[in-house]
Amino acid sequence: DAGVIQSPRHEVTEMGQEVTLRCKPISGHNSLFWYRQTMMRGLELLIYFNNNVPIDDSGMPEDRFSAKMPNASFSTLKIQPSEPRDSAVYFCASLPSNGHEQFFGPGTRLTVL
Amino acid sequence: GDSVTQMEGPVTLSEEAFLTINCTYTATGYPSLFWYVQYPGEGLQLLLKATKADDKGSNKGFEATYRKETTSFHLEKGSVQVSDSAVYFCALSDQGFQKLVFGTGTRLLVSP
Repeated sequence: DAGVIQSPRHEVTEMGQEVTLRCKPISGHNSLFWYRQTMMRGLELLIYFNNNVPIDDSGMPEDRFSAKMPNASFSTLKIQPSEPRDSAVYFCASLPSNGHEQFFGPGTRLTVL
Repeated sequence: GDSVTQMEGPVTLSEEAFLTINCTYTATGYPSLFWYVQYPGEGLQLLLKATKADDKGSNKGFEATYRKETTSFHLEKGSVQVSDSAVYFCALSDQGFQKLVFGTGTRLLVSP
């Protein structure tokens, strides 16, 4: 299995631009998580889906952030408009229905200038 | 709410030294406990886990015992290697193993 796939791996954009991060979970996993990692705040859960349905989005910072999971094999995290304080590494992780281990992708390093 | 507290890093050790990274937790109910490791430039990987009190998780020479009486899950390794240099995260899960609550992470630096 290829593991969790995230794209792009690196993104540099200017303040005010729209940013879309993509994630393909491991086939057969039915839960998907989006995390943000910064030096100041550590690892934060933004949102997670179960069977493509958002279960908990209490970690989403503000209305500029949105996430979708149109099908079991694809999810997006969108930031519009982006701000410099959104600069971070964004991780996607997936979890099988009968498992304990979340499998993490390699992350997307976002820099907003 | 649930929370995890880890010791501040970095932890700096020489190769073959003994490692302890402290982790304590606060949770309602009976959480499962995890240690994840993050190597430079990579995502997190599960290192070991324990799902009930007194369970010992182990992997790659690392061990941690679920201590309900002290609400702790300290990570230990008898002899560290340079390749163990990474950031280690303690975490708990209290909702059907879905939502994880992470500690702040502890950076380990091992020198030859």
